Amino acid sequence: KNEVEQSPQNLTAQEGEFITINCSYSVGISALHWLQQHPGGGIVSLFMLSSGKKKHGRLIATINIQEKHSSLHITASHPRDSAVYICAVFQGGSEKLVFGKGTKLTVNP
Amino acid sequence: EPEVTQTPSHQVTQMGQEVILRCVPISNHLYFYWYRQILGQKVEFLVSFYNNEISEKSEIFDDQFSVERPDGSNFTLKIRSTKLEDSAMYFCASGRNSGDNEQFFGPGTRLTVL
Repeated sequence: KNEVEQSPQNLTAQEGEFITINCSYSVGISALHWLQQHPGGGIVSLFMLSSGKKKHGRLIATINIQEKHSSLHITASHPRDSAVYICAVFQGGSEKLVFGKGTKLTVNP
Repeated sequence: EPEVTQTPSHQVTQMGQEVILRCVPISNHLYFYWYRQILGQKVEFLVSFYNNEISEKSEIFDDQFSVERPDGSNFTLKIRSTKLEDSAMYFCASGRNSGDNEQFFGPGTRLTVL
């Protein structure tokens, strides 16, 4: 069983739609990363959070530690948001990130 | 804005050859990491490095791999004798603090072993 599960695996949306990507994890964690991977392969850190909610522009990330679940929301989606979104967790006591398989988002104009 | 850089962007090598992948972390960061992503698969942790020594490594990081910080700015990953299955994207990352600290990723080096 994967320690980090993301859903959906693929998501297609129309420009302007509200997007939600989910991440569930089975291990105890100290923090969770949301990352964006561009078609060329580069990885950009979007958020790191250990509780509550963070907002940056049109992106919102929430985490529920008790339920071992996090969501990434994109408001007013745009074609430039098309990318793979990856959830990764820090297991307690470890420095390594454990990654989910990613959610491929395509936003059509 | 400071960023992690990696060179080369693409490396092609013959099986059995040694390769060195280079990274320049963000200058005030103290913790360094290598990850790899085989095509179509998820990103996997290889190794973390602090204070000139490995602090944690995965089972992937066997004797064929080594890391080094040869000077104050570079952080390298060496694969001694490459295998076909080493073909992957290799990402360097750095962070200011240890543990659950935000990591900043480089653009990656695509390694192709023929």
